[in-house]
Amino acid sequence: EADIYQTPRYLVIGTGKKITLECSQTMGHDKMYWYQQDPGMELHLIHYSYGVNSTEKGDLSSESTVSRIRTEHFPLTLESARPSHTSQYLCASSMGQWGNTEAFFGQGTRLTVV
Amino acid sequence: GQQVMQIPQYQHVQEGEDFTTYCNSSTTLSNIQWYKQRPGGHPVFLIQLVKSGEVKKQKRLTFQFGEAKKNSSLHITATQTTDVGTYFCAGPGDNYGQNFVFGPGTRLSVLP
Repeated sequence: EADIYQTPRYLVIGTGKKITLECSQTMGHDKMYWYQQDPGMELHLIHYSYGVNSTEKGDLSSESTVSRIRTEHFPLTLESARPSHTSQYLCASSMGQWGNTEAFFGQGTRLTVV
Repeated sequence: GQQVMQIPQYQHVQEGEDFTTYCNSSTTLSNIQWYKQRPGGHPVFLIQLVKSGEVKKQKRLTFQFGEAKKNSSLHITATQTTDVGTYFCAGPGDNYGQNFVFGPGTRLSVLP
């Protein structure tokens, strides 16, 4: 079983609120990723990190920000939630260069903005 | 950036029938991975292919990497209801292997 955790699992929040989605892994992985996914649809990379103090934006334009102050922690923050942010957010981690190891995914946070 | 495409988008089969999903890239891939996501779940790693023409098997699942390393396939023999889910291929997102991109996935439904 993968040691990567996301909280909360479900969140319903009002428009304009600031929210932080938490992601932690205990595997010592250097790479971490955030994906946005509508049910049964594509995975869109929104942010990733090579390691501590490194963050990069993915292919999907996002109004969110991330930080990587500790290896094990990669939180995602929405400064002002909107209904268009309603989706599932998946966090993942891997070790080393892509192709050397697999990616492990958390169970996801299902966000609903009303 | 790197893009990978998958076909078909959806596939409905009767239990016991075979199923194949195809993954294609416009550029050569150093390697490719396959993941399965059950309904309501998260993607779970199935396998990685690295060598040109590589074929790997996991019970009823057969994975193949094309000779040119631009395409890959996943074939399931005699599908079961437990095979239901979305199958994603994923390749390197940049030349440094620092991230990866997923294909759009093939959603498989198996009718009992």
